[in-house]
Amino acid sequence: EAGVAQSPRYKIIEKRQSVAFWCNPISGHATLYWYQQILGQGPKLLIQFQNNGVVDDSQLPKDRFSAERLKGVDSTLKIQPAKLEDSAVYLCASSPLSRLAGDHYEQYFGPGTRLTVT
Amino acid sequence: GQNIDQPTEMTATEGAIVQINCTYQTSGFNGLFWYQQHAGEAPTFLSYNVLDGLEEKGRFSSFLSRSKGYSYLLLKELQMKDSASYLCAVSRGGYNKLIFGAGTRLAVHP
Repeated sequence: EAGVAQSPRYKIIEKRQSVAFWCNPISGHATLYWYQQILGQGPKLLIQFQNNGVVDDSQLPKDRFSAERLKGVDSTLKIQPAKLEDSAVYLCASSPLSRLAGDHYEQYFGPGTRLTVT
Repeated sequence: GQNIDQPTEMTATEGAIVQINCTYQTSGFNGLFWYQQHAGEAPTFLSYNVLDGLEEKGRFSSFLSRSKGYSYLLLKELQMKDSASYLCAVSRGGYNKLIFGAGTRLAVHP
């Protein structure tokens, strides 16, 4: 079974530029997550999709970050304009549909995109 | 609010046993995950506890006490490849949102 795919793997941009990341989840996984992981910290959830609907975007800086999951499959995360503090690894994860609180569905993570903003 | 605490770093000797603790405070608690993350790689699933008690899986075991807001990950017969960060993550709310701790960086030496 293919894992979660992400591209690009690395990106270097200057502040105020824009950047987009792409994620293709495991086939059949209804739930897709975008996380930001700053060096030395745990992943922080930015946005969670269930099929193509957003169920949590409470920690997404909406003035500069946007994400979409058209057709309920792959997803893109965009930053516009980027700031120095956006330098981090952006992880995409997917899991089967969670129907009940406490459902034991582990999240499968992609390799991540390492973003450096200079 | 929510808070997850785990030690920043630990060291241990190859072949030994190490226990990594995690304490948490959160509302809407569903269960607790442990993930392993090697440097420069994505997190991979180790264990999930929803009920109090010990879950054993090979060399790794995980314990949960819901009343105390406490969990630990026990690694036995340590190998050099176990050198990694270990992330404690709480699942909360109706959509099983994961809140991660900062991770414990474990160094295994000969």
